[in-house]
Amino acid sequence: KAGVTQTPRYLIKTRGQQVTLSCSPISGHRSVSWYQQTPGQGLQFLFEYFSETQRNKGNFPGRFSGRQFSNSRSEMNVSTLELGDSALYLCASSPLGPNEKLFFGSGTQLSVL
Amino acid sequence: GENVEQHPSTLSVQEGDSAVIKCTYSDSASNYFPWYKQELGKGPQLIIDIRSNVGEKKDQRIAVTLNKTAKHFSLHITETQPEDSAVYFCAALGWSTGNQFYFGTGTSLTVIP
Repeated sequence: KAGVTQTPRYLIKTRGQQVTLSCSPISGHRSVSWYQQTPGQGLQFLFEYFSETQRNKGNFPGRFSGRQFSNSRSEMNVSTLELGDSALYLCASSPLGPNEKLFFGSGTQLSVL
Repeated sequence: GENVEQHPSTLSVQEGDSAVIKCTYSDSASNYFPWYKQELGKGPQLIIDIRSNVGEKKDQRIAVTLNKTAKHFSLHITETQPEDSAVYFCAALGWSTGNQFYFGTGTSLTVIP
């Protein structure tokens, strides 16, 4: 079975731009979660999608948004980028939800200049 | 909300020795505690998990213990090998704060050959 696939692997953007990251979960997994990883803060929960619906949301500003498609693939969007948005963005999938094992992708490293 | 603290932040051991990483959590309603290993350039990988109805779980050289009363759980790695070198994260599933994972800030483990 293929693992969780995240694209692109690296991104460089400038302040004020917007960015879209993509995540393809493991086949059969319906829950997709997104996390922001920074050296100082560790992993911070962004949101979780299940069957195309946002089921849970972390404490991030509205500039961070996401969506999930009928094939369970998910995208997250960050608008009006700030320098502090530079981080590794990780996607994780699980069959049904967070009370199960999470399988992480390798992440998208976003640098905001 | 839930708060997970992890210690130590860095740990160096000689090959063959044991390594112990400790985490505390604040939400008594949390009931699922996974541990993840993250190697350079990769996403976190689940290595062992424990639920609150169990006090200890073992998988070959890795074990996790949970003390619900004291609200702390620990990862034990015995007979460490150089390939155990990585960053380890603990996490707690916070039911009372929106059913999301809260992660510790990570422990960088170095196994010296």
